[in-house]
Amino acid sequence: NAGVTQTPKFRVLKTGQSMTLLCAQDMNHEYMYWYRQDPGMGLRLIHYSVGEGTTAKGEVPDGYNVSRLKKQNFLLGLESAAPSQTSVYFCASSYGRASDTQYFGPGTRLTVL
Amino acid sequence: AQKVTQAQTEISVVEKEDVTLDCVYETRDTTYYLFWYKQPPSGELVFLIRRNSFDEQNEISGRYSWNFQKSTSSFNFTITASQVVDSAVYFCALSEPRYNNNDMRFGAGTRLTVKP
Repeated sequence: NAGVTQTPKFRVLKTGQSMTLLCAQDMNHEYMYWYRQDPGMGLRLIHYSVGEGTTAKGEVPDGYNVSRLKKQNFLLGLESAAPSQTSVYFCASSYGRASDTQYFGPGTRLTVL
Repeated sequence: AQKVTQAQTEISVVEKEDVTLDCVYETRDTTYYLFWYKQPPSGELVFLIRRNSFDEQNEISGRYSWNFQKSTSSFNFTITASQVVDSAVYFCALSEPRYNNNDMRFGAGTRLTVKP
């Protein structure tokens, strides 16, 4: 039982490049989330999904897109990376809504030059 | 809007000391949930506790204890007889299902350093 996994663990991009972060969970959770963590700011919700085929915006969605084609996977895309998107990205999942316990992946450290 | 304040940015203690991490929250609802997560130097987020607003009983788990006081909107976390392995960043978080069904708001975190 791997829990929540994220690919890749590290990535360096140049401004304007695109990339996709992959999150996978094997707990059969309905809800999945993408957060970003910046120094001194805790975690902030980017997008989330309440089930396969659904996505919704969180607190800081601009510059990101997401897709949930399969229940176990949640993809986060950056179409045109900017230095302001340098951050650590965490994926999480929960059985139900956010009031249920969220379980986090190990994180992806992204640097945009 | 829901808000979580962890006023202590950094705390440093010597091993075996007791330490309390403060968490103060703001909410407009009577039904809400509070969480604590630990982020060790390796970077992952480890779930510690979930508490709903109707359960004000204090919780103890080994050397960890949590004091939930609705009267002061606080959910403080105490580590007794701290150890070097407790060194981490600790986050308090709030979920308010009625108004923000799918949004958990985190505090900025408190970095705890336990020196040998």
